Amino acid sequence: EVQLVQSGAEVKKPGESLKISCKASGYSFPNSWIAWVRQMPGKGLEWMGIIFPGDSDTRYSPSFEGQVTMSADLSTNTAYLQWSSLKASDTAKYYCARRRKTTYYGMDVWGQGTTVTVS
Amino acid sequence: DIVMTQSPLSLPVTPGEPASISCRSSQSLLHRNGNTYLDWYLQKPGQSPQLLIYMASNRASGVPDRFSGSGSGTDFTLKISKVEAEDVGVYYCMQAVLDSPCTFGPGTKVEIK
Repeated sequence: EVQLVQSGAEVKKPGESLKISCKASGYSFPNSWIAWVRQMPGKGLEWMGIIFPGDSDTRYSPSFEGQVTMSADLSTNTAYLQWSSLKASDTAKYYCARRRKTTYYGMDVWGQGTTVTVS
Repeated sequence: DIVMTQSPLSLPVTPGEPASISCRSSQSLLHRNGNTYLDWYLQKPGQSPQLLIYMASNRASGVPDRFSGSGSGTDFTLKISKVEAEDVGVYYCMQAVLDSPCTFGPGTKVEIK
């Protein structure tokens, strides 16, 4: 079964660092993009950026460039989203999603989301 | 960035009746490769988003055939032929013609009357 399993909820203070994870299974992790999507409380979906684990090609939305860092570890089939200094405005639920590379099928597999609370 | 708009933003529906959501983009979503990069996602209450339609009119695996997508250029439509109670949630269109960035519409909340 193809799935993305995300790390658990986090409660942090402003200024702290954080790295959340998205572990892939059931498909070839290096050969599909992983996208990150933010959903602030009660709000819609925001596309943050996308990383291709095979070569770490990363494309950030201008709104998130410099605010977060996306990475991937091929040895553990895990993608990461990290912050060096959290703000209260980073409070949100964060989803990872797969997008295949060679043929476009949309973001067809989603993680369950990681809730980040900064307070 | 490409701006996505949806209408209506709220849609009360009656089970068994059809429903339709419109999505418009500020630029054409037709890529030079001939594909149109417009997706539809449904976020049911308390759940992660799920893919319904990709490239404007292709149903994702496992999606019931009561869902259909159409449109081209800048105007797109998601139709539900006969709404079922399980279809409630927020529907989002998303453009992917430009990866930097992809952008979602504001969402359309579908609820049962």
